[in-house]
Amino acid sequence: DTEVTQTPKHLVMGMTNKKSLKCEQHMGHRAMYWYKQKAKKPPELMFVYSYEKLSINESVPSRFSPECPNSSLLNLHLHALQPEDSALYLCASSQLEYTEAFFGQGTRLTVV
Amino acid sequence: AQSVTQLGSHVSVSEGALVLLRCNYSSSVPPYLFWYVQYPNQGLQLLLKYTSAATLVKGINGFEAEFKKSETSFHLTKPSAHMSDAAEYFCAVGEAGTALIFGKGTTLSVSS
Repeated sequence: DTEVTQTPKHLVMGMTNKKSLKCEQHMGHRAMYWYKQKAKKPPELMFVYSYEKLSINESVPSRFSPECPNSSLLNLHLHALQPEDSALYLCASSQLEYTEAFFGQGTRLTVV
Repeated sequence: AQSVTQLGSHVSVSEGALVLLRCNYSSSVPPYLFWYVQYPNQGLQLLLKYTSAATLVKGINGFEAEFKKSETSFHLTKPSAHMSDAAEYFCAVGEAGTALIFGKGTTLSVSS
């Protein structure tokens, strides 16, 4: 099984809402990632959980906060987002940070 | 730091023609190299990977890539394009201690 499952597939939220994106993998991978992708652009790394250690892209605003309840699950908590945060949010996992990453289908987020 | 350059943001071919998507990397040590494909509103799917074994790597859907250390290149080819190959293609490089670094992507269009 090389599947990374993301829920929900689509999300529309207001700027005052709080919502969470969920990601799950059962490949035994020890690294999981959140990426943000705008149209016609490459994925932009937001967060990495690797062997229970969190690494943050310093440019990511604090209205995004990751949570890793266990090695198979990765959440992304959203609070007070802005319209420019509308994008495709991708979760991925890999055995090691530099080995092949397996991606979920993404959550299409629209902030209104 | 590692970087990846994809030459040509948009490549157009006719159905049945050769597909050539270019990727150059910068690295002082042999890296791990990957090609991913992304269809609209979907996640990234791994096409193939180079991990210092054979320099000619075969992937899914008839694609292959050749690692050329002297040229620091990892170009993606397919002998005969199909309409279903139309998508966004990303080259990525992995090196110990960092998450994958993606190129800016190449949009492949296939006309009948």
